[in-house]
Amino acid sequence: AQSVTQLDSQVPVFEEAPVELRCNYSSSVSVYLFWYVQYPNQGLQLLLKYLSGSTLVESINGFEAEFNKSQTSFHLRKPSVHISDTAEYFCAVSEGGLKTDKLIFGTGTRLQVFP
Amino acid sequence: EAEVAQSPRYKITEKSQAVAFWCDPISGHATLYWYRQILGQGPELLVQFQDESVVDDSQLPKDRFSAERLKGVDSTLKIQPAELGDSAMYLCASTLDSGVTGELFFGEGSRLTVL
Repeated sequence: AQSVTQLDSQVPVFEEAPVELRCNYSSSVSVYLFWYVQYPNQGLQLLLKYLSGSTLVESINGFEAEFNKSQTSFHLRKPSVHISDTAEYFCAVSEGGLKTDKLIFGTGTRLQVFP
Repeated sequence: EAEVAQSPRYKITEKSQAVAFWCDPISGHATLYWYRQILGQGPELLVQFQDESVVDDSQLPKDRFSAERLKGVDSTLKIQPAELGDSAMYLCASTLDSGVTGELFFGEGSRLTVL
């Protein structure tokens, strides 16, 4: 069965510093990988996704993630964070026939950006 | 911008009472999902609808939970009777194209507290 592990429950960082949120998955078949973000008192929003093709994917607000099949990882990175990046970040994997079927989420990483 | 609507945002109830949550997906979205997010954990799929039909309810505790989407548009999730362990955020999500693009659109959730 597939599973997702987010190794860090909380990541405190100062503004303008780089950050990496780690995500590892286990699956016996090809997968689709996602990062969702949840701002306080809001629903989850898709940040970026890997479906196929280039293993490096980027979001519009400066985040990037790289699919590493050999290490079964999909770590999220940003070279310089902003206060507004403070949120909960969830890694998710799907190996269903449809890309949103049977989406399995990790337990989340709370990113706290300090001034 | 179209959104997934959920109500109520907050619900406090005593154990053994009945509760119901409502979700109105983005217009035209054929696939609808109910997720449960326990504090400190990632969302877990409870039930998935394709139009009015249940596609996956393998994780729905059917002794006390029920879900319906009678006309293939809005949906109701019911719990009867509620138990202390049901305290969680109940998230509704929808997608237009049955998962081809891999993006779920989430509502803001309904937070349930069972006393």
